[in-house]
Amino acid sequence: DTGVSQDPRHKITKRGQNVTFRCDPISEHNRLYWYRQTLGQGPEFLTYFQNEAQLEKSRLLSDRFSAERPKGSFSTLEIQRTEQGDSAMYLCASSLAEATEAFFGQGTRLTVV
Amino acid sequence: RKEVEQDPGPFNVPEGATVAFNCTYSNSASQSFFWYRQDCRKEPKLLMSVYSSGNEDGRFTAQLNRASQYISLLIRDSKLSDSATYLCVSKGGNQGGKLIFGQGTELSVKP
Repeated sequence: DTGVSQDPRHKITKRGQNVTFRCDPISEHNRLYWYRQTLGQGPEFLTYFQNEAQLEKSRLLSDRFSAERPKGSFSTLEIQRTEQGDSAMYLCASSLAEATEAFFGQGTRLTVV
Repeated sequence: RKEVEQDPGPFNVPEGATVAFNCTYSNSASQSFFWYRQDCRKEPKLLMSVYSSGNEDGRFTAQLNRASQYISLLIRDSKLSDSATYLCVSKGGNQGGKLIFGQGTELSVKP
């Protein structure tokens, strides 16, 4: 499968715990995006990378959230001290910088109890 | 005001109907526009890009009006399999490289 891959697909965690999600983009894509989606809403931008550089981070993102893309390939999104309001689908997408379409992974569904 | 706004749903139509979705965007510097389709509890998938001259892909037609900052999607001869949420997306300009999504419009095609 050469599409965008996300792991895990589902995560249930207790409030206050830390969680980390992984995204493997399409191999030749140098842009990687993270989005969050809640029921009935469109995907909300969190952050994006071009290669290993984090180009933009949403001001909606608290300092409990951090993302990395250390070698310009896969990326991780960490949420520290999770809260119930963090429960959502976390989507990763990738694209070629010079192209405009982005392709999404199947997402990681986070439930904070 | 949201950067990308869509018609509120849901749209409930019979098979074979023609349905139109509208979308407005607030950032006049946006450069690229798309329609994505999202099935329940699945990831968004690109349906089509939207070009200034308008473009058609089978039963789907997308149009862009830059002067009015308005995008539309027309679906002809609706099929049951068209039932999904349709997301309007803008990208580029002074909003950088990120995609900005609308809330989405839910379509339900009934037999």
